[in-house]
Amino acid sequence: QQPVQSPQAVILREGEDAVINCSSSKALYSVHWYRQKHGEAPVFLMILLKGGEQKGHEKISASFNEKKQQSSLYLTASQLSYSGTYFCGTVNTNAGKSTFGDGTTLTVKP
Amino acid sequence: DGGITQSPKYLFRKEGQNVTLSCEQNLNHDAMYWYRQDPGQGLRLIYYSQIVNDFQKGDIAEGYSVSREKKESFPLTVTSAQKNPTAFYLCATSDRAYNEQFFGPGTRLTVL
Repeated sequence: QQPVQSPQAVILREGEDAVINCSSSKALYSVHWYRQKHGEAPVFLMILLKGGEQKGHEKISASFNEKKQQSSLYLTASQLSYSGTYFCGTVNTNAGKSTFGDGTTLTVKP
Repeated sequence: DGGITQSPKYLFRKEGQNVTLSCEQNLNHDAMYWYRQDPGQGLRLIYYSQIVNDFQKGDIAEGYSVSREKKESFPLTVTSAQKNPTAFYLCATSDRAYNEQFFGPGTRLTVL
């Protein structure tokens, strides 16, 4: 089952904050976040594991609510370089396949 | 340099021809994945392999085939049975199934 991301798109001015949400209908073992620039491959940002472990980008934070099967990505003091499409990927078991949401397009304007 | 290599970057084929996309990694990762991405869309899993000589179908495996004879290599064949093969194909690896994935640069396949 594909996770649902919201919002689909967001437009910000430099310095503003944004939150991107990812929700699953199934129990989650891990949630990954990626950013993709137009025409390029996705780049890993953050992983959150069941049990609380997380690792990733220094300037980006995320939360993982295991009970609600939800994760949120927090982008603070946005920069022009933050523009792109953000995907969450979810894995339901420690040996399961990954499933990606449809993405959230973030545009940061000067 | 450690990384994932996909070749070629752009590929053109005539309708009805099979084509094989290459994916090589030197990260020593056990798991490898193939995704398809259409314009403005997300990533859809075609096939994945968690260990050499073993692979599983993803969500859109019809018309595709793979092999995993070596840890470093996971080639994808797009067969003539795939109805609409024109897309951006991405290969990814991870050290464990639940961990983060690292993506290759992708291959843009256009079927004329």
